[in-house]
Amino acid sequence: DQQVKQNSPSLSVQEGRISILNCDYTNSMFDYFLWYKKYPAEGPTFLISISSIKDKNEDGRFTVFLNKSAKHLSLHIVPSQPGDSAVYFCAASGENTDKLIFGTGTRLQVFP
Amino acid sequence: EAGVVQSPRYKIIEKKQPVAFWCNPISGHNTLYWYLQNLGQGPELLIRYENEEAVDDSQLPKDRFSAERLKGVDSTLKIQPAELGDSAVYLCASSWDRHTEAFFGQGTRLTVV
Repeated sequence: DQQVKQNSPSLSVQEGRISILNCDYTNSMFDYFLWYKKYPAEGPTFLISISSIKDKNEDGRFTVFLNKSAKHLSLHIVPSQPGDSAVYFCAASGENTDKLIFGTGTRLQVFP
Repeated sequence: EAGVVQSPRYKIIEKKQPVAFWCNPISGHNTLYWYLQNLGQGPELLIRYENEEAVDDSQLPKDRFSAERLKGVDSTLKIQPAELGDSAVYLCASSWDRHTEAFFGQGTRLTVV
């Protein structure tokens, strides 16, 4: 049972445009959500997080939105840059599951 | 500040042989995780330590996998004997506690032939 789902395995965006990566979850007890970025042959790198008491968190070009009623979160990158090309993982945790549960990832490619 | 350090980066072994991975977490981080990542999948937790205590090892195949975290700092993950299906990337991560973001090492890519 996949509790965290990233239904788009890949996304291609032109440089300068907005990239929107989506993530859905099924466990209503999740209260902490994170996005990680992963380059080939490297470990995941923490990008941005949001707790369930908020619906938006912003850090520079990266903004995460949380819609608790829809059990959906998204990561917006604007403007997108070629260096953003990587695999992005959504992860979630909660009081009943202390471990981070990851989605399967979305490969973002930003082209010139 | 140094990040999470793992070694080796790559390991190729024959099936039925033992293998061990080492992890040095970020200084001061009490929580340490070992994750397994198969190709095309997200990381899956194998074991989580709070200091030297293993508090979540429900996903660790205990018939062949073992882990330890001596003195609540470095950790080793061992597989004995290795099977072909164990080929994957093994990631170590650490965090201040279970409520904060985890920082990952570069991982060890294991190939069992």
